[in-house]
Amino acid sequence: NAGVMQNPRHLVRRRGQEARLRCSPMKGHSHVYWYRQLPEEGLKFMVYLQKENIIDESGMPKERFSAEFPKEGPSILRIQQVVRGDSAAYFCASSPGGLGPYNEQFFGPGTRLTVL
Amino acid sequence: GQQVMQIPQYQHVQEGEDFTTYCNSSTTLSNIQWYKQRPGGHPVFLIQLVKSGEVKKQKRLTFQFGEAKKNSSLHITATQTTDVGTYFCAGEAGRRALTFGSGTRLQVQP
Repeated sequence: NAGVMQNPRHLVRRRGQEARLRCSPMKGHSHVYWYRQLPEEGLKFMVYLQKENIIDESGMPKERFSAEFPKEGPSILRIQQVVRGDSAAYFCASSPGGLGPYNEQFFGPGTRLTVL
Repeated sequence: GQQVMQIPQYQHVQEGEDFTTYCNSSTTLSNIQWYKQRPGGHPVFLIQLVKSGEVKKQKRLTFQFGEAKKNSSLHITATQTTDVGTYFCAGEAGRRALTFGSGTRLQVQP
């Protein structure tokens, strides 16, 4: 039973480039969540998606960041024109149902983004 | 917006000592979850509490949800070096996504 998969595990970009982070949820899970974690800090919610729908993007910066979860394929978190402040670990989590009791989130290993 | 505060930020204990971390929400929660993250790793789900006043135990770990469903605690009895990591609480209120606390980093001295 494969867990949540994220790739790449490490990503280095220069300022101004684009970063694409991929997340494949656990089999049978249709709900995906993206979080950002700065070094020595907690997890900050970014966006919550179901297949083809953004349910809650209240934690995502209005500019340069976008997310999608297409009908087929992984969820993608896209950061355009990266800046040094975007350097962080980005975690994806999935759950079988949506919010509510008994829907724990299973986290992927994360993508560590470094912007030079 | 909803805020979840967690204290202490950091705790250093001798192996065998007890450890407690506290979580407080600015709003009433429908449920609270606890996660553990080892250094360099990813968060791993530990438990979920749903009912007011609920207490759950997992071996040396005791989790409690307050009567008002606005606070929670995690207590570890007789810590071991394998308990090292950061413990996060995460609260859910209504239909909003989980809000994570800032975490408590536990160091255990052998």
